[in-house]
Amino acid sequence: NAGVTQTPKFQVLKTGQSMTLQCAQDMNHEYMSWYRQDPGMGLRLIHYSVGAGITDQGEVPNGYNVSRSTTEDFPLRLLSAAPSQTSVYFCASNRDPNTEAFFGQGTRLTVV
Amino acid sequence: GENVEQHPSTLSVQEGDSAVIKCTYSDSASNYFPWYKQELGKRPQLIIDIRSNVGEKKDQRIAVTLNKTAKHFSLHITETQPEDSAVYFCAASRGSNYKLTFGKGTLLTVNP
Repeated sequence: NAGVTQTPKFQVLKTGQSMTLQCAQDMNHEYMSWYRQDPGMGLRLIHYSVGAGITDQGEVPNGYNVSRSTTEDFPLRLLSAAPSQTSVYFCASNRDPNTEAFFGQGTRLTVV
Repeated sequence: GENVEQHPSTLSVQEGDSAVIKCTYSDSASNYFPWYKQELGKRPQLIIDIRSNVGEKKDQRIAVTLNKTAKHFSLHITETQPEDSAVYFCAASRGSNYKLTFGKGTLLTVNP
């Protein structure tokens, strides 16, 4: 039982490049979400999904796209990377909203 | 939307002392209040949570209290140990709309 798996762990992008951060969970959780963590800012919700085919915006969605074609996978796409998107990104999954969120190990992204 | 304020931002205690971290929230409809611990370079992990129908919850050396009237909740750690050193995040959620809003975190240092 791997839990929540994110890839890659580290990534350096040039301004304007695009990329996809992968997230997969094997707990059959309906709820998945993406957060970014910046120093002194806590964890901020980017996008979330309440089930396959259903996604919605969080607090800081600009510059990011998501899709949820299966229960297991919830990729995050950066359309045109900017230095302001330098951050640590965490994917999480929950059985339902008022229960424990299980986080992936994080992706440290640097945009130069 | 929901706003969660967390204090203090840093807290240093001697081993064996107690530590208290306080959070306030703005949305009176919030009904789920988890606390996460994040060790350096690791993913956040749930340590305790409380729901709005409960005023206090304990788990060994950790307790959380909730005052719905004042819209604040607190984390209490007794008999602190060096391994309690980490960043602690509070969070609040309505549950129904799934959006989990985090505080900015408290860096707890337990000195041996």
